[in-house]
Amino acid sequence: DGGITQSPKYLFRKEGQNVTLSCEQNLNHDAMYWYRQDPGQGLRLIYYSQIVNDFQKGDIAEGYSVSREKKESFPLTVTSAQKNPTAFYLCASSSPPGQVTGELFFGEGSRLTVL
Amino acid sequence: QQQVKQSPQSLIVQKGGISIINCAYENTAFDYFPWYQQFPGKGPALLIAIRPDVSEKKEGRFTISFNKSAKQFSLHIMDSQPGDSATYFCAAAGGYNKLIFGAGTRLAVHP
Repeated sequence: DGGITQSPKYLFRKEGQNVTLSCEQNLNHDAMYWYRQDPGQGLRLIYYSQIVNDFQKGDIAEGYSVSREKKESFPLTVTSAQKNPTAFYLCASSSPPGQVTGELFFGEGSRLTVL
Repeated sequence: QQQVKQSPQSLIVQKGGISIINCAYENTAFDYFPWYQQFPGKGPALLIAIRPDVSEKKEGRFTISFNKSAKQFSLHIMDSQPGDSATYFCAAAGGYNKLIFGAGTRLAVHP
């Protein structure tokens, strides 16, 4: 089945540690996105990528980093510089690149808790 | 920062009733206005979307009404069912298919 796989589903981290969230898609989509979801705030865009080896900051990129070395993979690193990292993180993809359709395909998310 | 404002924050409807969720946006440079449905612990999924040159779109029990001059759009769920209980997000889609989401509405449909 085609889709987006995020791992791990749950992750606990101590303050000061970096953590990387995995996002893999087999939809053959060019564009990929990372959103953060907090209760009562909807989803906010962290980073997005339209093609391999290229990515752009979203609205809340501070304290996060990404890479796009392969079309199917778009990992997100939550660094120790992120002041409030506890959240639900969602990866998404869409196609074709640059075309606005309003449709994103989301993974099932990774819930990060900082202890 | 561009915003999409969504109301109400929560909504309780009896089975068979109509659920109505409203959204307003501030910028005119959006190309699509989608609605997403999210169940607990899952990612959101596209429910229905409308272009700004269309005033209404219906898919089954779900209808989007769009008022371009007022910069408002709404989702109507007819004959609401307990299985519709979820969180609903409106959004506005612009360049690179980036979505700006509303804060969400938690809908509970009571049998």
